[in-house]
Amino acid sequence: AQSVTQLGSHVSVSEGALVLLRCNYSSSVPPYLFWYVQYPNQGLQLLLKYTSAATLVKGINGFEAEFKKSETSFHLTKPSAHMSDAAEYFCAVSGGSNYKLTFGKGTLLTVNP
Amino acid sequence: DAGVIQSPRHEVTEMGQEVTLRCKPISGHDYLFWYRQTMMRGLELLIYFNNNVPIDDSGMPEDRFSAKMPNASFSTLKIQPSEPRDSAVYFCASSLSGGQGKTQYFGPGTRLLVL
Repeated sequence: AQSVTQLGSHVSVSEGALVLLRCNYSSSVPPYLFWYVQYPNQGLQLLLKYTSAATLVKGINGFEAEFKKSETSFHLTKPSAHMSDAAEYFCAVSGGSNYKLTFGKGTLLTVNP
Repeated sequence: DAGVIQSPRHEVTEMGQEVTLRCKPISGHDYLFWYRQTMMRGLELLIYFNNNVPIDDSGMPEDRFSAKMPNASFSTLKIQPSEPRDSAVYFCASSLSGGQGKTQYFGPGTRLLVL
């Protein structure tokens, strides 16, 4: 079985500040890890994914994440927050013989001017 | 590409009525997924198909829910009879085959309210 824990259901930062959204996973097989973003009243859009290549993954809109196997973590970062980053962010895991994505509960990011 | 298309975008119905949600995956994608999103339970996978065949329906909450994929470009999720606790946003997603690392592309969702 696989699971994802996102620490902090709500994160608030100032515009220009570092964004750090935390994700820890549990998987009995080598995992594939994803970060999705959801803007209000929209579907989910892929930010980035880890598929066993480079452990530091760069995504869209200046986001990146680092896969740390020893810590079972895949935290999402962005050096400087922009107002347009305000959204809900979901970490997800898949792996093994099943194609299903298991999502975390999500973290709502608020960016203050 | 038009992306994943879902209809209707919003649905309001009364308890006991039948509800049918529709999805058109991205052309060429051979995996299709149905998810439900609620405040209490977050995003849950209900069922997924590969080449129009249901592979895993373990997430379907009960017999009132059914899903079909009659061809590669169309899928339905039906709830009969509907109940207020079915109120949620239902997402359809599609992906290419080739491994679990393939990206799932999500539609805009159907917001269902059962009164």
